[in-house]
Amino acid sequence: DTAVSQTPKYLVTQMGNDKSIKCEQNLGHDTMYWYKQDSKKFLKIMFSYNNKELIINETVPNRFSPKSPDKAHLNLHINSLELGDSAVYFCASSRTGASTDTQYFGPGTRLTVL
Amino acid sequence: RKEVEQDPGPFNVPEGATVAFNCTYSNSASQSFFWYRQDCRKEPKLLMSVYSSGNEDGRFTAQLNRASQYISLLIRDSKLSDSATYLCVVSNALYSSASKIIFGSGTRLSIRP
Repeated sequence: DTAVSQTPKYLVTQMGNDKSIKCEQNLGHDTMYWYKQDSKKFLKIMFSYNNKELIINETVPNRFSPKSPDKAHLNLHINSLELGDSAVYFCASSRTGASTDTQYFGPGTRLTVL
Repeated sequence: RKEVEQDPGPFNVPEGATVAFNCTYSNSASQSFFWYRQDCRKEPKLLMSVYSSGNEDGRFTAQLNRASQYISLLIRDSKLSDSATYLCVVSNALYSSASKIIFGSGTRLSIRP
């Protein structure tokens, strides 16, 4: 069974569209994250949620809105997509969110904005 | 200065060689350190945590030097399957759910037969 799953795996869309990426973890972890990995392979945290509560919100355009309906799910909605949003988006989870915790990553969603 | 810096490589070494790379971090208050491995077009996976006393896991040895603010990864008797990108990860706020996690941009390692 996949521990952290994301859908879709690939997403190709036009500039200006709105799209969502879903993430689910079945590890019973309290904390979930969204990361963006750009073309230079630099992996940067965007958001983290702990038990459905927003904990970390890095400087991300407000076109990006995370939503956590329960602690096993963290979705990412992106409005008015721009070319620069093209990247791989990884969802991750960790047991408590403590700095000593291992991060478990989903397989990634490769977003291409045309 | 970037918060976490790594030599991007690529390091191209023959099978069986020993290879080492470092990662420097700028925040002296950083508490936790890790090496993750990322294969091409895959997600990152934990390779090992890095403890103050250093730690070893088979062919892999990780060291932490707090005075000079760097961590290192040594791979002995390298295998073809070790080819990957190695990501240095630094985190602060030891036991807080708001810990800040910073990934280095990775060091690419390629093992040739």
